[in-house]
Amino acid sequence: GQSLEQPSEVTAVEGAIVQINCTYQTSGFYGLSWYQQHDGGAPTFLSYNALDGLEETGRFSSFLSRSDSYGYLLLQELQMKDSASYFCAVMEGRRALTFGSGTRLQVQP
Amino acid sequence: DTEVTQTPKHLVMGMTNKKSLKCEQHMGHRAMYWYKQKAKKPPELMFVYSYEKLSINESVPSRFSPECPNSSLLNLHLHALQPEDSALYLCASSQRDRGRNTEAFFGQGTRLTVV
Repeated sequence: GQSLEQPSEVTAVEGAIVQINCTYQTSGFYGLSWYQQHDGGAPTFLSYNALDGLEETGRFSSFLSRSDSYGYLLLQELQMKDSASYFCAVMEGRRALTFGSGTRLQVQP
Repeated sequence: DTEVTQTPKHLVMGMTNKKSLKCEQHMGHRAMYWYKQKAKKPPELMFVYSYEKLSINESVPSRFSPECPNSSLLNLHLHALQPEDSALYLCASSQRDRGRNTEAFFGQGTRLTVV
């Protein structure tokens, strides 16, 4: 089976940097993705790592270490609109996305 | 067009009703998914269609019946649901290859209430 662990909640202030960690156990692994979901909205794709290292997309970066079964999402220059739930997800052997439990990010003024 | 369109947005149904959820995408994606999401929980995989064939059924009760009429459409037929089936039902699609792009595009979901 698959399991992904993330912190349940993170709080930070506007302009700060926050890191959301994800550790996973899965049978078969193609890559680690990150999704953002605002209350009442649909998950939207943020980033994907298939190989070790850092991927940067604007204010968001994502890191993967396949040997450690670990990744993180880094959000810089936090804005109020970044308050949302963030999910890591693995594309595993069956070629389907399995989501972590989610991290609720609260950005405060 | 990078949209996945789901209808209806909201649905209230009785336990004896039969209803269908619909999903459509025109991105040429050959993998389509149904997820169920309860409040403050992650999306849970229900079904995966790959090239219009059912490839994964996550032991979903038979009162949920998926259908993929063609590469752009995905339906979820509902019959004799229980109140605990009330949730947000999300449809998603993605490319079906071994390339780097495994981004899944999600529809806005159907918020289902079973009474």
